[in-house]
Amino acid sequence: KAGVTQTPRYLIKTRGQQVTLSCSPISGHRSVSWYQQTPGQGLQFLFEYFSETQRNKGNFPGRFSGRQFSNSRSEMNVSTLELGDSALYLCASSLKLAGHSEQYFGPGTRLTVT
Amino acid sequence: DQQVKQNSPSLSVQEGRISILNCDYTNSMFDYFLWYKKYPAEGPTFLISISSIKDKNEDGRFTVFLNKSAKHLSLHIVPSQPGDSAVYFCAARMGGSEKLVFGKGTKLTVNP
Repeated sequence: KAGVTQTPRYLIKTRGQQVTLSCSPISGHRSVSWYQQTPGQGLQFLFEYFSETQRNKGNFPGRFSGRQFSNSRSEMNVSTLELGDSALYLCASSLKLAGHSEQYFGPGTRLTVT
Repeated sequence: DQQVKQNSPSLSVQEGRISILNCDYTNSMFDYFLWYKKYPAEGPTFLISISSIKDKNEDGRFTVFLNKSAKHLSLHIVPSQPGDSAVYFCAARMGGSEKLVFGKGTKLTVNP
């Protein structure tokens, strides 16, 4: 079974631009979450989507947004990019069963803002 | 407010010996805990998890212990192998949410 895929893997943008990152979950997984990893803050939760609905949002400004499609694929968007948005953006998927289910991560998108 | 803490930034062990990675948490609402292994520029790889109703879970060379009263968990790797060298993250979750709260990670180096 294929793992979580993320595109693009690397991206360089200029301050003020916007960017869209894509995530395809493991087949059958309906929950997708996004995380930002930076050297200073570590791994920080951005948002969680399930059945095309945002279920939870982390402490990030409104410039960070996302959505999930009917096939469970997800995109996140960052508008008006700032230098501090340079980070590794990770997507994770899970079955989200009634009990607990593990989250599996993709390889990430490395975003550099200049 | 760091709810999940990994107080040792690094750990070095000899091949074949036991590696013990520690994690403390402050939020008593956490009911599920996970350990991930991560290489630079890659996504975290799931290793093992434990529910708060258990105090131990084993999977091959990996064992996770949970002490709820102390709000402490640990990951034991026996025997340690050079391929285990990576950064290990502890993560916690509370019921109904997929949101993971991560520690800052511990860099494990296993020397041949």
